[in-house]
Amino acid sequence: EDKVVQSPLSLVVHEGDTVTLNCSYEVTNFRSLLWYKQEKKAPTFLFMLTSSGIEKKSGRLSSILDKKELFSILNITATQTGDSAVYLCAVDVPTGNQFYFGTGTSLTVIP
Amino acid sequence: KAGVTQTPRYLIKTRGQQVTLSCSPISGHRSVSWYQQTPGQGLQFLFEYFSETQRNKGNFPGRFSGRQFSNSRSEMNVSTLELGDSALYLCASSLEFLRGGGYTFGSGTRLTVV
Repeated sequence: EDKVVQSPLSLVVHEGDTVTLNCSYEVTNFRSLLWYKQEKKAPTFLFMLTSSGIEKKSGRLSSILDKKELFSILNITATQTGDSAVYLCAVDVPTGNQFYFGTGTSLTVIP
Repeated sequence: KAGVTQTPRYLIKTRGQQVTLSCSPISGHRSVSWYQQTPGQGLQFLFEYFSETQRNKGNFPGRFSGRQFSNSRSEMNVSTLELGDSALYLCASSLEFLRGGGYTFGSGTRLTVV
């Protein structure tokens, strides 16, 4: 059965800390892995990763994929209170036009 | 341009009733997918529509159904509501399914079944 597992489930850090969020997956067929940030309701797109070892970067956020070990990490440096959110990882499986989502990592950044 | 619009934002229903949720995709987007989000299960795929055709369905009972109209707006219907159907229902639209991350979510409909 296809599944996506995120860790940790929740995390509390202080402003300025660096955090690493993990996403591992087991799917029968893989096309891409995506990261989303969900602050209130609508998840917003962060990154899409398709190739191993190529870092995607956007400001203080970066992500990388390891297709051999079947995982991805999302790094956030110099965290700010505005980074507080649930971070979702999703794997795109070509058969079925759907994403398999992890349950998310809840990040709380305290001043 | 306007984002994905879901209505209503909140809904309270009693067990046994039925409910219809609506999703208007971004103009020009033809693919609409529906997801159920609960604290324990995370986001789970319900179904995806493209050009008025359901292309795929997740592992939900037949009480969950949907449709898409010629203007790409989509509706989701849940009949004979159960307490466990309480969740945030999200829809997402894209030009075609997943191109360059162009999968935009709406803010969802929060359904509470009492």
